[in-house]
Amino acid sequence: AQTVTQSQPEMSVQEAETVTLSCTYDTSESNYYLFWYKQPPSRQMILVIRQEAYKQQNATENRFSVNFQKAAKSFSLKISDSQLGDTAMYFCAFMLSNNAGNMLTFGGGTRLMVKP
Amino acid sequence: KAGVTQTPRYLIKTRGQQVTLSCSPISGHRSVSWYQQTPGQGLQFLFEYFSETQRNKGNFPGRFSGRQFSNSRSEMNVSTLELGDSALYLCASSFSSGVTGELFFGEGSRLTVL
Repeated sequence: AQTVTQSQPEMSVQEAETVTLSCTYDTSESNYYLFWYKQPPSRQMILVIRQEAYKQQNATENRFSVNFQKAAKSFSLKISDSQLGDTAMYFCAFMLSNNAGNMLTFGGGTRLMVKP
Repeated sequence: KAGVTQTPRYLIKTRGQQVTLSCSPISGHRSVSWYQQTPGQGLQFLFEYFSETQRNKGNFPGRFSGRQFSNSRSEMNVSTLELGDSALYLCASSFSSGVTGELFFGEGSRLTVL
């Protein structure tokens, strides 16, 4: 079974600054996806960024980037130039990519507050 | 393009009753997954349906069931409700199952059990 751990229940950052959210996971599989999802107060979960485990290059989406360390089983999210709209719960998630279906295993989440 | 639609958005039930929640996926998506979100347990996978077949099931009692129709709409049912079933139930749709991993979530159905 896979587990995902987010060790920071809450974080805050000043607007325009950079913040890094941590995530570690445990699996014996070698082929998988990793995701960061954002859940704003309105509750709809939105995909922020995803990473395929076989890709060594870290994924980047505009102000969002990841630091994927496969050997260390670490997958952190960096948010640059933080904006007030980034205030949300952030969930790290894991999915096997062996055609076993769409089953996400989520971490406990990090509540991020961006302060003006 | 319409997103994932869940109904009802809010509902209140009493212990022992049953409830049915509905999820309409994005047009063209054939996979629908359900998740339960609670403050104590976080986000937990319930089950996934793909082309009307259940592909995976999470570690939930048999009171939790689901189905998918030929138009890919899905329903989940919880029978004999318990207080601990109070949660936000999220539905997610995807074009494929176990291939691209991209899921799109609805806003959820907030169930309160009294």
